[in-house]
Amino acid sequence: GAVVSQHPSRVICKSGTSVKIECRSLDFQATTMFWYRQFPKQSLMLMATSNEGSKATYEQGVEKDKFLINHASLTLSTLTVTSAHPEDSSFYICSARPAATGYEQYFGPGTRLTVT
Amino acid sequence: GQSLEQPSEVTAVEGAIVQINCTYQTSGFYGLSWYQQHDGGAPTFLSYNALDGLEETGRFSSFLSRSDSYGYLLLQELQMKDSASYFCAVTLMEYGNKLVFGAGTILRVKS
Repeated sequence: GAVVSQHPSRVICKSGTSVKIECRSLDFQATTMFWYRQFPKQSLMLMATSNEGSKATYEQGVEKDKFLINHASLTLSTLTVTSAHPEDSSFYICSARPAATGYEQYFGPGTRLTVT
Repeated sequence: GQSLEQPSEVTAVEGAIVQINCTYQTSGFYGLSWYQQHDGGAPTFLSYNALDGLEETGRFSSFLSRSDSYGYLLLQELQMKDSASYFCAVTLMEYGNKLVFGAGTILRVKS
């Protein structure tokens, strides 16, 4: 149980275009979902926290107009990277917290974004 | 702010025991977690300490001492497949109970 999927697993896009990444909790309802970014050989950095039906809370330094997050249902959150630049190339990972637990997060497999 | 410090790399031989330490500076957290991440993969949850003391899960154990702002992950009977990055993380007592990760420790297991 507690499986989180992400789609796509890899994406290559051109500079200036937008890319949408989906995060789904497959067998549980997630009131809270988190989006992380991880550069090579570095740790996971939290970008934003989203609760179903409300606006996401972005971490300091993360541009909310560039990284659009939508958490439309208890099983789906999306991250849209708008007007992508090569420096946005990274590994994007989502996680979901089941409504019933207090602390545990289940991570998706990640999406490797390459902007050319 | 919050900060968690871990050694950057640890090397050990197959069958040995290795301890990965994590010291932290943070205010108000629910517990300390440990995650394993293989190259190109997502983090997988290993262990969680809400209270001081030792938690044992198979070959992995984790320890927390809030008074010392310190925790560790202990891996026993090391296997080659344990070669990965290991992250400690605290669950903060604030909006969303978000996780803050340490920089990670690369564990290399040699035969």
